[in-house]
Amino acid sequence: ETGVTQTPRHLVMGMTNKKSLKCEQHLGHNAMYWYKQSAKKPLELMFVYSLEERVENNSVPSRFSPECPNSSHLFLHLHTLQPEDSALYLCASSDRVNQPQHFGDGTRLSIL
Amino acid sequence: GQQLNQSPQSMFIQEGEDVSMNCTSSSIFNTWLWYKQDPGEGPVLLIALYKAGELTSNGRLTAQFGITRKDSFLNISASIPSDVGIYFCAGQLTDSGAGSYQLTFGKGTKLSVIP
Repeated sequence: ETGVTQTPRHLVMGMTNKKSLKCEQHLGHNAMYWYKQSAKKPLELMFVYSLEERVENNSVPSRFSPECPNSSHLFLHLHTLQPEDSALYLCASSDRVNQPQHFGDGTRLSIL
Repeated sequence: GQQLNQSPQSMFIQEGEDVSMNCTSSSIFNTWLWYKQDPGEGPVLLIALYKAGELTSNGRLTAQFGITRKDSFLNISASIPSDVGIYFCAGQLTDSGAGSYQLTFGKGTKLSVIP
């Protein structure tokens, strides 16, 4: 139990579908992150939220849309994804943005 | 952007052996983190280092923050089968203002332990 829960654990979707990934942290942290993990590549930071405000969008395509309704919850809304978007999407949280990050177990996303 | 060179990329060792892996960077960090990722799970934080020269242990794991602030190593002593997994280093420059949340990750070291 990491304190960061991601759902669903696995998701298969077509390129025209709309789906959302959910992350919930039970650690009382104030910062939350989305990462993409692809085979043979370092983890790629996608979005950062601090106190529910987005502080970074690392040139992520608009087909990925984050939402942070409160400091415990983070969503990643997906729309018209491409096959190259298939990857493990990891959520992380930290007490503040410059503190060590704690990760969830990820959502394995497959785009058909 | 910044890149971390993590080595070795993979290693096979006999149970009971000691393991050493390292990360080097072309630029400095003021925080080094080591994570382990098991199949089907997210990275788990093992050790955090905050000061150049710092040597920190967590059970059989020992990590050091290089004096130059551009490198770090992780040692595992007396390896056991459950040490199998992928180990990632990550560097962070926590006093850089707007970019202080940015973790730069290595590509990982895949460890296999032969019983």
